[in-house]
Amino acid sequence: NAGVTQTPKFQVLKTGQSMTLQCAQDMNHEYMSWYRQDPGMGLRLIHYSVGAGITDQGEVPNGYNVSRSTTEDFPLRLLSAAPSQTSVYFCASSYVSGEAFFGQGTRLTVV
Amino acid sequence: DAKTTQPPSMDCAEGRAANLPCNHSTISGNEYVYWYRQIHSQGPQYIIHGLKNNETNEMASLIITEDRKSSTLILPHATLRDTAVYYCIVRGNTGTASKLTFGTGTRLQVTL
Repeated sequence: NAGVTQTPKFQVLKTGQSMTLQCAQDMNHEYMSWYRQDPGMGLRLIHYSVGAGITDQGEVPNGYNVSRSTTEDFPLRLLSAAPSQTSVYFCASSYVSGEAFFGQGTRLTVV
Repeated sequence: DAKTTQPPSMDCAEGRAANLPCNHSTISGNEYVYWYRQIHSQGPQYIIHGLKNNETNEMASLIITEDRKSSTLILPHATLRDTAVYYCIVRGNTGTASKLTFGTGTRLQVTL
């Protein structure tokens, strides 16, 4: 039981490049979410999903796309990376009620 | 979800109890108080949650005032490994588990 697994752990992108951050959970959780954390700040919600095939926007969705084709996976796509997207990205999963479980994060730098 | 207010930082001596306060004066009747912590930029870790009764688990105790407008997280015997940022979050218990609202939390420094 690995919990929530994020890959890669570190990534450097050039401005304009695209990439996908991967998130997988093995707890059969219905809910999954993506957050970003900028230095000295709390986490902010990017996108979330309440089940396979269902996604919605959070507080800061611009520049990111998501899809949820399976219960286990919830990838986050950066369409055209910008320096403002330099951040630490966390994926989380949970049941409908109860606590959320977080991955260890992906540290992204856009130059 | 209701907003929360926490002090930006606190210090605690190792072995002593750490009492972390949280104000949530606009909490609704069906909203729970959750506590998470984040150690050195790792992913946040769930600690405890409660509705209106005091709660205790192997990590901490949660004391919620009778009017539910504030709460205190208690780490009974703080260790250096408890140094972290602690987040108090208020949310409904169904339908919102995927949409947590984090403030800036309280940075707890445990010292020798």
